[in-house]
Amino acid sequence: GAVVSQHPSRVICKSGTSVKIECRSLDFQATTMFWYRQFPKQSLMLMATSNEGSKATYEQGVEKDKFLINHASLTLSTLTVTSAHPEDSSFYICSAPKAGNTEAFFGQGTRLTVV
Amino acid sequence: ELKVEQNPLFLSMQEGKNYTIYCNYSTTSDRLYWYRQDPGKSLESLFVLLSNGAVKQEGRLMASLDTKARLSTLHITAAVHDLSATYFCAVDLLYGQNFVFGPGTRLSVLP
Repeated sequence: GAVVSQHPSRVICKSGTSVKIECRSLDFQATTMFWYRQFPKQSLMLMATSNEGSKATYEQGVEKDKFLINHASLTLSTLTVTSAHPEDSSFYICSAPKAGNTEAFFGQGTRLTVV
Repeated sequence: ELKVEQNPLFLSMQEGKNYTIYCNYSTTSDRLYWYRQDPGKSLESLFVLLSNGAVKQEGRLMASLDTKARLSTLHITAAVHDLSATYFCAVDLLYGQNFVFGPGTRLSVLP
């Protein structure tokens, strides 16, 4: 089946630094990918839609200058958390729809801890 | 704005018992997904419900969708400890798989 790979699975960074998270579709091309954030013991919230070759679409309340999304190829989207602060600590999950397939494919998630 | 609610949010049940988790949503949609999440892990797909009246079963879990009532149910039969996890329903409002998730139901199955 289709696989979405997310890397890294865990990252710890210092406040003020930037962290890049990668999301790859391994056996299909994804013109669109989605980024979700999940705080501890809460649900998943859609942050943004990553569009290959064009600007990402951000959900209300998500700072586009803080969460930089780049979708430079049909198999890779990256989320960069810039100038990270402890409140950005969360579980970030990407997903990618596969054309013609109603099942959604999620990455393994990235646990970000900002200290 | 689409709202997705789940009931109950917490469920503690004994092994061997049956129970139903409810998922209500506020806007018309006929695409409803159920996921399982274990602590520290990503989502595991359980069911994809694509039409009114859809019913799917896998092992001890059965899901159904009533689009007119804007209601989906996840029924657990003869629960076992391995089913302990958090269960999310998610509505695919725009059919693009940009989901609105319910708050989750944290299930604990006790021996």
